Amino acid sequence: EVQLVESGGGFVHPGRSLRLSCTASGFTFSDYVLNWVRQAPGKGLEWVGFIRSKAYGGTTEYAASVKGRFTISRDDSKSIVYLDMNSLKTEDTALYYCTREVFDSGSYSLDYWGQGTLVTVSP
Amino acid sequence: SSGLTQDPAVSVALGQTVRITCQGDRLRSHYASWFQQRPGQAPVLVIYGKNNRPSGIPDRFSGSTSGDIASLIITGAQAEDEADYYCNSRDTSGGFHWVFGGGTELTVL
Repeated sequence: EVQLVESGGGFVHPGRSLRLSCTASGFTFSDYVLNWVRQAPGKGLEWVGFIRSKAYGGTTEYAASVKGRFTISRDDSKSIVYLDMNSLKTEDTALYYCTREVFDSGSYSLDYWGQGTLVTVSP
Repeated sequence: SSGLTQDPAVSVALGQTVRITCQGDRLRSHYASWFQQRPGQAPVLVIYGKNNRPSGIPDRFSGSTSGDIASLIITGAQAEDEADYYCNSRDTSGGFHWVFGGGTELTVL
């Protein structure tokens, strides 16, 4: 069974840093692109970024709203993907989801999601 | 603007058919996926690609695309279908980013 479990959320002051983790199980972690998606309280879903598999260079892409402040990395030996968040702003307050990306039937999709970890940025 | 536009709210009578739409230029190049999110729960993929359902998703859920509009169709809506629905698609610019629609709140009357 595919599982994604996020951790590391909490309360942090503006300008500080936080590291989120997503521990995966039930699939060959190293073969997949992993994404982070966030959801501010009462708001919609917002894509944060992704990291490609090592087979595709392990490169990353980010939304404009977080580029230069957030960094995604992965440890395939532990089946963990990380989201390092620096220079946090109040508008980064959200539930952060980890989600797996697949290519199936000729299209890409985000097929499995974790339950999320809450980040609150407040003075 | 997210680049994918959804109606904020839609309602349907129990057992009737409802269409939830998602509009955006990028849908001319990339299929939309659809996610169901019940209160307090993580999103669940219900439709992807041309019209594919993940295992476990009831066959009353289907999808279609015409031009720049993607649709999620629920045929015979059930009370448990009351939820927020989000579309997403790949960005057409460089980087292969993802974009989400603003979401549609579905009420089953």
